[in-house]
Amino acid sequence: QKEVEQDPGPLSVPEGAIVSLNCTYSNSAFQYFMWYRQYSRKGPELLMYTYSSGNKEDGRFTAQVDKSSKYISLFIRDSQPSDSATYLCAMTDGQNFVFGPGTRLSVLP
Amino acid sequence: EAGVAQSPRYKIIEKRQSVAFWCNPISGHATLYWYQQILGQGPKLLIQFQNNGVVDDSQLPKDRFSAERLKGVDSTLKIQPAKLEDSAVYLCASSLVLSGNTIYFGEGSWLTVV
Repeated sequence: QKEVEQDPGPLSVPEGAIVSLNCTYSNSAFQYFMWYRQYSRKGPELLMYTYSSGNKEDGRFTAQVDKSSKYISLFIRDSQPSDSATYLCAMTDGQNFVFGPGTRLSVLP
Repeated sequence: EAGVAQSPRYKIIEKRQSVAFWCNPISGHATLYWYQQILGQGPKLLIQFQNNGVVDDSQLPKDRFSAERLKGVDSTLKIQPAKLEDSAVYLCASSLVLSGNTIYFGEGSWLTVV
């Protein structure tokens, strides 16, 4: 079993849709969870950062962590064509960072 | 605040040639990382520095890859000789402290080996 697994995608949705991106992990030592957005030919940029279980909202984005299920999600409301990118989940125990393989999202106008 | 700077952005070389990538982290960030990202995959850590010391290089192919961070600021990653499977983007990242909760990436150096 891989340490971090992510819905493979690619995912295509119409503009305005609600998008759900998900990752599962196996290491219970992970405490900090991040979502990165990576546009084509660009480096990953930090989108959301959460600590432990719970929800965090930032504009149209909501990050959700369920440590008991070892499951994290990123929700995008009212998706826009500019949200088209690859989304990488990442997590750390404070020492080691592990990234998911990414989900490629296309939001169609 | 300036971000992580990397150069060159793009490089095409023939197999068995050598290449070097340069990175300047965010000012004040003690920890510097080099990641390799193959198309369609997440970033894979190659080496991690804390100031000018190596913290983790367990996944660095040391027969062909080398990296240094001599003055604890900027860093160079070298590949010699390159193989076709080294075609990837090489991402430099930095964080404020060793046990950083977030890391910040540069734009990447895109390598094609032909």
